Amino acid sequence: DTAVSQTPKYLVTQMGNDKSIKCEQNLGHDTMYWYKQDSKKFLKIMFSYNNKELIINETVPNRFSPKSPDKAHLNLHINSLELGDSAVYFCASTLSGANVLTFGAGSRLTVL
Amino acid sequence: TQLLEQSPQFLSIQEGENLTVYCNSSSVFSSLQWYRQEPGEGPVLLVTVVTGGEVKKLKRLTFQFGDARKDSSLHITAAQPGDTGLYLCAGVGGSQGNLIFGKGTKLSVKP
Repeated sequence: DTAVSQTPKYLVTQMGNDKSIKCEQNLGHDTMYWYKQDSKKFLKIMFSYNNKELIINETVPNRFSPKSPDKAHLNLHINSLELGDSAVYFCASTLSGANVLTFGAGSRLTVL
Repeated sequence: TQLLEQSPQFLSIQEGENLTVYCNSSSVFSSLQWYRQEPGEGPVLLVTVVTGGEVKKLKRLTFQFGDARKDSSLHITAAQPGDTGLYLCAGVGGSQGNLIFGKGTKLSVKP
């Protein structure tokens, strides 16, 4: 069983489109994250949710909207995609206070 | 916001060689973590160092936390092609107490 699973793994789309990436964890963790890894491999936090509540929202365009229907799921919806959104998006989870992250395998988004 | 600087950025060596990767900051961290990321996968935790001066060993990998808890190093003895990957250090230090990552060291070990 995969601990943190993301879908889709690859996503190729045109500028201006809207797309979603889904994440689920079966570890019983209460905190989930979205990280963006750019072409230079820099891993930067975007959002964090704890028990379905948003607790971290770094400087991210409001075209990005996370949604957590329950503490095992954190989805990321992106509106009006731009070329600069091309990156690998990683979902991660942890137990609050532990600060040790379990990552998914990533979702590579390519905007043409 | 605290920053973590990693060096070198890239490292290409032959199988059997030794290497050291560094993670430095001007800020004190309560702990530092090291992750390894292989192509097409997410980062995987290798170790957490907590106490200043602490040394932890994981087979051929030796991790050290600086006495002042501002830096850490990863030493690999007799590197193997399976060690190839992106090595990331991370510490709690974001504006909201989140985990922040260094920019990573991309290691390539050639047979």
